[in-house]
Amino acid sequence: AQTVTQSQPEMSVQEAETVTLSCTYDTSENNYYLFWYKQPPSRQMILVIRQEAYKQQNATENRFSVNFQKAAKSFSLKISDSQLGDTAMYFCAFRGSQGNLIFGKGTKLSVKP
Amino acid sequence: GAVVSQHPSRVICKSGTSVKIECRSLDFQATTMFWYRQFPKQSLMLMATSNEGSKATYEQGVEKDKFLINHASLTLSTLTVTSAHPEDSSFYICSAELTGVGTDTQYFGPGTRLTVL
Repeated sequence: AQTVTQSQPEMSVQEAETVTLSCTYDTSENNYYLFWYKQPPSRQMILVIRQEAYKQQNATENRFSVNFQKAAKSFSLKISDSQLGDTAMYFCAFRGSQGNLIFGKGTKLSVKP
Repeated sequence: GAVVSQHPSRVICKSGTSVKIECRSLDFQATTMFWYRQFPKQSLMLMATSNEGSKATYEQGVEKDKFLINHASLTLSTLTVTSAHPEDSSFYICSAELTGVGTDTQYFGPGTRLTVL
């Protein structure tokens, strides 16, 4: 069975600095997708970034980038120039052949002014 | 693009009544929609996968007769909590999957907070 592990329950970062959130996963599949979702206090789940496992190039979306290490089954999220609006729960998720998302337990990120 | 709406956003009902929650994909068609439940400070728990035109697939431990799912069109799925009890109080979130080459991404509705008195 696939699993997703986020080992950092909480993290904090100063505004304008960079922070990296960790995620590891376990699967025997070769083709899959990985995602980072953000859930602010409004509780709306927002897609941050997506990575296809068959792509070696790390995905980037403006200030958000990932470090995808397929052999190590690691998928960390880097947030550059952190903003107060980045304060949220961040969930790492895996999508394999079954089609459903498997979520990690989340990391609560606080951006401090 | 890829907007999902959910209605109502909040509902309070009496024990024993039924509540219907709607999930709509506004700008794309979704063959597959998902229903999740989220307890405070926890991750999302998948309840069921809803496929247009066929029966939903429920996760282990989720009562299909209590949580009725209907996916009658490519833009609408509904979740009905039948004979609701206080222990059903929770935050329910739906998602719709945008499929295609290089996508297969779930987009989420804003959630429904259900309180059963």
